[in-house]
Amino acid sequence: SQQGEEDPQALSIQEGENATMNCSYKTSINNLQWYRQNSGRGLVHLILIRSNEREKHSGRLRVTLDTSKKSSSLLITASRAADTASYFCATGPSGGSYIPTFGRGTSLIVHP
Amino acid sequence: DVKVTQSSRYLVKRTGEKVFLECVQDMDHENMFWYRQDPGLGLRLIYFSYDVKMKEKGDIPEGYSVSREKKERFSLILESASTNQTSMYLCASSRTRNEQYFGPGTRLTVT
Repeated sequence: SQQGEEDPQALSIQEGENATMNCSYKTSINNLQWYRQNSGRGLVHLILIRSNEREKHSGRLRVTLDTSKKSSSLLITASRAADTASYFCATGPSGGSYIPTFGRGTSLIVHP
Repeated sequence: DVKVTQSSRYLVKRTGEKVFLECVQDMDHENMFWYRQDPGLGLRLIYFSYDVKMKEKGDIPEGYSVSREKKERFSLILESASTNQTSMYLCASSRTRNEQYFGPGTRLTVT
């Protein structure tokens, strides 16, 4: 079952602009993770934010988490053509077997 | 660096064949996962293993089985391949409640 849902499904921007992707989920979580996937490749972990954290930074990435709204956002600042990829959020449940569930992803195209 | 390797990047099999997809991780992770990824459907979990010889069904286990005889190796088996199993297969490993590390994927075509 897919809990996380990314929005928008597709995003097209110019190099240098910021890109914002959102993720909504339905049940309580232990953490939320963001991944990137280049075309035809495996997923690469970008950042993990725990349920007691509100914001996290890693280089040009900024992730926020609002557990009251059950939503997260990923901001990529000063985007580059190399950021072109699909981005997925994955929610780690707070109870039971720890099986992260993935959304369908946001496809980001950054035009040079 | 954590490394997750998959036995093949591309595989072409015929309908009815038995297919083995192998995944190996080198970081002593207790958890290993098999997903399939299809356009518009995202990642769907096939099976999950949290220890040697332990497994749990995911969302779409029908037509698949798995084997985990050693901690570092998790195999996905298609007992009798069908055309609707043509897909990208992704293996991942993790420590519990931490990020997953993915292999490069196997693109399987069943003709």
